[in-house]
Amino acid sequence: AQSVSQHNHHVILSEAASLELGCNYSYGGTVNLFWYVQYPGQHLQLLLKYFSGDPLVKGIKGFEAEFIKSKFSFNLRKPSVQWSDTAEYFCAVNALGSNYQLIWGAGTKLIIKP
Amino acid sequence: EAQVTQNPRYLITVTGKKLTVTCSQNMNHEYMSWYRQDPGLGLRQIYYSMNVEVTDKGDVPEGYKVSRKEKRNFPLILESPSPNQTSLYFCASSYGTGRSSYEQYFGPGTRLTVT
Repeated sequence: AQSVSQHNHHVILSEAASLELGCNYSYGGTVNLFWYVQYPGQHLQLLLKYFSGDPLVKGIKGFEAEFIKSKFSFNLRKPSVQWSDTAEYFCAVNALGSNYQLIWGAGTKLIIKP
Repeated sequence: EAQVTQNPRYLITVTGKKLTVTCSQNMNHEYMSWYRQDPGLGLRQIYYSMNVEVTDKGDVPEGYKVSRKEKRNFPLILESPSPNQTSLYFCASSYGTGRSSYEQYFGPGTRLTVT
């Protein structure tokens, strides 16, 4: 069965620190990749997505993610985090041909200390 | 404003008392889905619907029912809730075809407690 792993369940950083959240998936075929974010008290929203082409994709609020096919990874990065980035981040994967179903990681809670 | 709405937002109920959580979207989306979110488990899909009168089981459908009689509405029904259905529930929708189908729009969530 397909699965998505997010390695860190909780991450605490200080403002201006660099961020990298890991995401690995287990599916050998073509995939579409997503990062969603859930700010405290808000609903989930799309942060960025990868379908094809340039493996480095840029999303909202200065986030980017790199698809490394050989490593089955889609890590999320931000060079300098802000207190407002405190949120829970979810990686999701769609396997081509799976009726638009998304397989979700368990999420990473990110806390930014002011 | 394009949105997915859910009601109620919070619900405390007792074991065995039937309940319905409503979900409505105003974006004319074909695809709708229900998830539950539990700590450490991420989101797990309960049911989804590709269009009116077309529904299918997700990963954790036991104890739930859905219906899709109209394009905009996708209610989640718990015929006989049990404590293990205490969770945070999200409804989501997206366009039914093409790459934009994968971008799902989420409702605000319904926090359900079953005692």
